[in-house]
Amino acid sequence: AQTVTQSQPEMSVQEAETVTLSCTYDTSESDYYLFWYKQPPSRQMILVIRQEAYKQQNATENRFSVNFQKAAKSFSLKISDSQLGDAAMYFCAYEEGGADGLTFGKGTHLIIQP
Amino acid sequence: KAGVTQTPRYLIKTRGQQVTLSCSPISGHRSVSWYQQTPGQGLQFLFEYFSETQRNKGNFPGRFSGRQFSNSRSEMNVSTLELGDSALYLCASSGGTVNTEAFFGQGTRLTVV
Repeated sequence: AQTVTQSQPEMSVQEAETVTLSCTYDTSESDYYLFWYKQPPSRQMILVIRQEAYKQQNATENRFSVNFQKAAKSFSLKISDSQLGDAAMYFCAYEEGGADGLTFGKGTHLIIQP
Repeated sequence: KAGVTQTPRYLIKTRGQQVTLSCSPISGHRSVSWYQQTPGQGLQFLFEYFSETQRNKGNFPGRFSGRQFSNSRSEMNVSTLELGDSALYLCASSGGTVNTEAFFGQGTRLTVV
């Protein structure tokens, strides 16, 4: 079974600074997708970024970027110029290619200090 | 475009009862997935439906079941409720292609007493 590990239960960063959230995963599959989802206090999960495993290029969405290390099975999220609205739980997730159904990590609670 | 709608938002049930939760996906989306979120176990995948067929299933007991209707609306049912079933149940919908973005609803908070 696939597993996703987020080793940082909580992270704190000053507004406008950069923070990196860690994620590792374990799978024997070669076709898979990785995601970062954000869950603010409203509880509504929102997609932050998506990465196809077959793509070597790291995905980027505005201030959000990933460092995808396939051999190391690592998928970290970098948030640049942190804003107060970035405060939330961040979940790393894995999905096997050809099948809908996300496996989530336990999450990292991100605190933004003003 | 309306988002994913889950009803009810909050629910209190007694041990041993059964409960049905509803999810209306984004218009045009044919895939609906269900997740359970608890403080202890985190987010866990329950099952996924596409065109009225269960396409994928997580590791939950048979007390948890679901179905999807021809209009893509989905329901999940939990029978013989246990205290441990207290959780936030999230529904997500996505377009026909697999592995695309899942759009989540705000969830149904189920409390079993």
